[in-house]
Amino acid sequence: AQSVTQLDSQVPVFEEAPVELRCNYSSSVSVYLFWYVQYPNQGLQLLLKYLSGSTLVESINGFEAEFNKSQTSFHLRKPSVHISDTAEYFCAVSDHGGGNKLTFGTGTQLKVEL
Amino acid sequence: DTEVTQTPKHLVMGMTNKKSLKCEQHMGHRAMYWYKQKAKKPPELMFVYSYEKLSINESVPSRFSPECPNSSLLNLHLHALQPEDSALYLCASSPRSDYGYTFGSGTRLTVV
Repeated sequence: AQSVTQLDSQVPVFEEAPVELRCNYSSSVSVYLFWYVQYPNQGLQLLLKYLSGSTLVESINGFEAEFNKSQTSFHLRKPSVHISDTAEYFCAVSDHGGGNKLTFGTGTQLKVEL
Repeated sequence: DTEVTQTPKHLVMGMTNKKSLKCEQHMGHRAMYWYKQKAKKPPELMFVYSYEKLSINESVPSRFSPECPNSSLLNLHLHALQPEDSALYLCASSPRSDYGYTFGSGTRLTVV
């Protein structure tokens, strides 16, 4: 079984400042890693994913995440946030051949302030 | 079509009512899911359908009954729910486990 830990429940940051949302996972097998974003009163949207290969993955809206196998981490970063980035961010993991089961972390509320 | 469509968007039901939530996708995804999300919490997996067969039931009470009539449609039948079942119910689909899920916008259910 796998698990995901998001240590920060809330991250306040000023607009145009950099941000890092932390995610650590635990699994006895190889995993796929995902970041999802949820805006108020909406479903979840896939932000980016790590499957294999390059450990740095990027999204189209400026977010990036780096897979670190030795530290079992998949932290999400953005060099300059915008007010529209305010949302709940969930890290998630599924193991290879895990029957399509996705396990979510507890989420991090990113609040961007002017 | 790259969406998962859920209806209704909002539902209020009494504890003796029977209602159904509907989820539809036309992306050819062969895995479909029901998740329950309480406020300020992550989504919790309820059911997984793979190739129209129930593959995972996360010990969900029998008052929730899933149904997959075909590869594009997923229903969740509700009967004799409790107020604590009030939540956002999310449907998702995926072609396979390494692809990530596409989520619908959810049905916000209130049980009175």
